[in-house]
Amino acid sequence: DAGVIQSPRHEVTEMGQEVTLRCKPISGHNSLFWYRQTMMRGLELLIYFNNNVPIDDSGMPEDRFSAKMPNASFSTLKIQPSEPRDSAVYFCASSQIGTGELFFGEGSRLTVL
Amino acid sequence: DQQVKQNSPSLSVQEGRISILNCDYTNSMFDYFLWYKKYPAEGPTFLISISSIKDKNEDGRFTVFLNKSAKHLSLHIVPSQPGDSAVYFCAASFNYGGSQGNLIFGKGTKLSVKP
Repeated sequence: DAGVIQSPRHEVTEMGQEVTLRCKPISGHNSLFWYRQTMMRGLELLIYFNNNVPIDDSGMPEDRFSAKMPNASFSTLKIQPSEPRDSAVYFCASSQIGTGELFFGEGSRLTVL
Repeated sequence: DQQVKQNSPSLSVQEGRISILNCDYTNSMFDYFLWYKKYPAEGPTFLISISSIKDKNEDGRFTVFLNKSAKHLSLHIVPSQPGDSAVYFCAASFNYGGSQGNLIFGKGTKLSVKP
């Protein structure tokens, strides 16, 4: 069974450029989460969707960050313009509402120079 | 303020001994707790969980204990194996089984099991 699929696995970009991270959740899952991992803050939730609808985006750092889920099998996290402090590993996770357990992708490591 | 705290950033244990990883939380409304394990360059993977109606859950070598009055949980690994070396994250959530919210994670504890 395919797990959560994220792309790209690694992204190196220059400050000011637009970054788009992609996620395909596990088929049949109806909740999708974007987390960011840094040394200082650990794993922090950015935004999550239930049935493709954003439920809580209070973790999105600022207006430079946006996320969409146009359908049940695809989500994007966009950073525009990117800054060096955005460098982190971004994880996408999915689950079925009510089960309590999240399944994570392998992450997208972003480096902004 | 962190709602889920793992105060030990690292732990080193000899193979065959017990590993005890600790986690404290501040919000008494949390009703579901999980432990995740993460290897380098991989995403976290679910290890074991416990709901607030229990005080212990066991799965093979892994046991999670919950002390609600102290707002504390711990993960015991017995016996520890070198393959257990990883970062362990504690997580908590509200409304398990209902309208699911997100998981709130601690910063993790890096466990090293030495042969």
